[in-house]
Amino acid sequence: GENVEQHPSTLSVQEGDSAVIKCTYSDSASNYFPWYKQELGKRPQLIIDIRSNVGEKKDQRIAVTLNKTAKHFSLHITETQPEDSAVYFCAAGFYTGTASKLTFGTGTRLQVTL
Amino acid sequence: DAGITQSPRHKVTETGTPVTLRCHQTENHRYMYWYRQDPGHGLRLIHYSYGVKDTDKGEVSDGYSVSRSKTEDFLLTLESATSSQTSVYFCAISEPQGTGGEAFFGQGTRLTVV
Repeated sequence: GENVEQHPSTLSVQEGDSAVIKCTYSDSASNYFPWYKQELGKRPQLIIDIRSNVGEKKDQRIAVTLNKTAKHFSLHITETQPEDSAVYFCAAGFYTGTASKLTFGTGTRLQVTL
Repeated sequence: DAGITQSPRHKVTETGTPVTLRCHQTENHRYMYWYRQDPGHGLRLIHYSYGVKDTDKGEVSDGYSVSRSKTEDFLLTLESATSSQTSVYFCAISEPQGTGGEAFFGQGTRLTVV
């Protein structure tokens, strides 16, 4: 089955700096790569996703890049703010008609300090 | 937020007792999932369903069973709860589009087995 590795497990940055979280996956059949943000005590919520036919996607201060050859994808957050502090999860998945499964990474705890 | 609710939100039970968690959606999404979240492990898939009465195992299915008799309800049962099943359980729903669809999560159920 799919295996997703995520690094780093914790990340501390100063407000205004950039943060980068990296993930690798093992199954070349995976073609959907979402990123979720989970605040303390809350549910995970999608912040951005990318599909295998796209190399990069941006949404304001966040961007995701995908390298299918190397099987890795990354989340970039620019101009970090205190409200960006949370746990971020990457995931890799595919849809075959009867199966639509996501495998999650183990999470990155991002702390944005003033 | 997507119309997805979990019940109960919190439960404490004794080792060896059966426990059923309920996930209810109002979005008419075809796929429903049960994940467990534990520190250091991220979100791990227990079981998922791709239609009424259609279910399949995830990566950590031992000790769990599921049922889906209606589109809107997905039940997770721990036949005989063990302390290793103490966790936060999240239900999720998705409607695949193209290569994959966004998964929306419920609020989570914190289960403690004593």
